Amino acid sequence: GNSVTQMEGPVTLSEEAFLTINCTYTATGYPSLFWYVQYPGEGLQLLLKATKADDKGSNKGFEATYRKETTSFHLEKGSVQVSDSAVYFCVANTDKLIFGTGTRLQVFP
Amino acid sequence: EAGVAQSPRYKIIEKRQSVAFWCNPISGHATLYWYQQILGQGPKLLIQFQNNGVVDDSQLPKDRFSAERLKGVDSTLKIQPAKLEDSAVYLCASSLGSSIGNQPQHFGDGTRLSIL
Repeated sequence: GNSVTQMEGPVTLSEEAFLTINCTYTATGYPSLFWYVQYPGEGLQLLLKATKADDKGSNKGFEATYRKETTSFHLEKGSVQVSDSAVYFCVANTDKLIFGTGTRLQVFP
Repeated sequence: EAGVAQSPRYKIIEKRQSVAFWCNPISGHATLYWYQQILGQGPKLLIQFQNNGVVDDSQLPKDRFSAERLKGVDSTLKIQPAKLEDSAVYLCASSLGSSIGNQPQHFGDGTRLSIL
């Protein structure tokens, strides 16, 4: 069946460090891919998306590239801030949204 | 633009009691979703409505969960009777069209349910 696997957290970084959160998917066809973010006490927000192979989604300094050959959609940011502390979900859209288990990011000053 | 509204934010009940959650989607959004998010897991789709019709309820435990969207706008999700394993955050989301069309889903803040 369809599934999304992302790295377990928590990921703990110092401010201005480089961030990578790995995500791979298993799905029939070519799903659209998303990263959602959940800040403490808030609902899920769409962070970025890519709808076809080699597309790069970007927002707020975060980027992710749709890699069909490796079925991956890794999230990256060059310099994290304390305000980026949140839970990040990798999501594949087949005929419904399939969520990964989430990765908690903690950024310390 | 007002977001997806959910109430209550928190609910604590004893097992075997009943509970209901309410969701008001973004105005004009035809599709409404209910998700269950158990602690440490990603959200799992319970039911999807397109206007007032059910599109997908394959993962809804129908022996105890029910949902309706009678007028194609707001929706209620009910659990009766509740079990300990129902402790979770219940998220409502809405989108302009169906997810097949890659319409982004907008989420409410959720209702955190605790079963004692």
